[in-house]
Amino acid sequence: DTAVSQTPKYLVTQMGNDKSIKCEQNLGHDTMYWYKQDSKKFLKIMFSYNNKELIINETVPNRFSPKSPDKAHLNLHINSLELGDSAVYFCASSQQSYGYTFGSGTRLTVV
Amino acid sequence: GENVEQHPSTLSVQEGDSAVIKCTYSDSASNYFPWYKQELGKGPQLIIDIRSNVGEKKDQRIAVTLNKTAKHFSLHITETQPEDSAVYFCAAAHNDMRFGAGTRLTVKP
Repeated sequence: DTAVSQTPKYLVTQMGNDKSIKCEQNLGHDTMYWYKQDSKKFLKIMFSYNNKELIINETVPNRFSPKSPDKAHLNLHINSLELGDSAVYFCASSQQSYGYTFGSGTRLTVV
Repeated sequence: GENVEQHPSTLSVQEGDSAVIKCTYSDSASNYFPWYKQELGKGPQLIIDIRSNVGEKKDQRIAVTLNKTAKHFSLHITETQPEDSAVYFCAAAHNDMRFGAGTRLTVKP
């Protein structure tokens, strides 16, 4: 069983489109995250979310929005996609900031 | 916020040699220091972690040391094998996790 699963694995779309990436964890963790990994492999946190609090990295454009229908899911919606949004996006989960477990990533390409 | 610096950015060793990757952090409140291995096309995988109340931890060929005073921690891989080749990330966490820039380790057979 995959602990943190995200779909799709690859996403190619045109500039200006709106897209979503889904993430689910079956570890019973209380916190979920979205990270962006650029071409130089740098991992940058975008959001962290638990039942009580959404923390947004101030450098993330408001075109990006997380949506959590329940504790096990944290989806990422992106509006008006731009070329610079091309990257690999990783979902992760943890229990009280320990033992982060990552998904396998979604490679987003904006053309 | 937390700032994590990682060195070197690339490291090439001969099979059987040791590899050492070093990180420093800025937030003295950070209390959890994991290391991740990322293979091509995969997500980062936790390989070892250490909490601030411990100075050293070892798991087979992998060890991590922590110097809280200097805000410095290191990953040591002994008897390296070609399958150790990957990108390694250090991280420091208090309320959230901040990653170093990564080290691309190549183990030559």
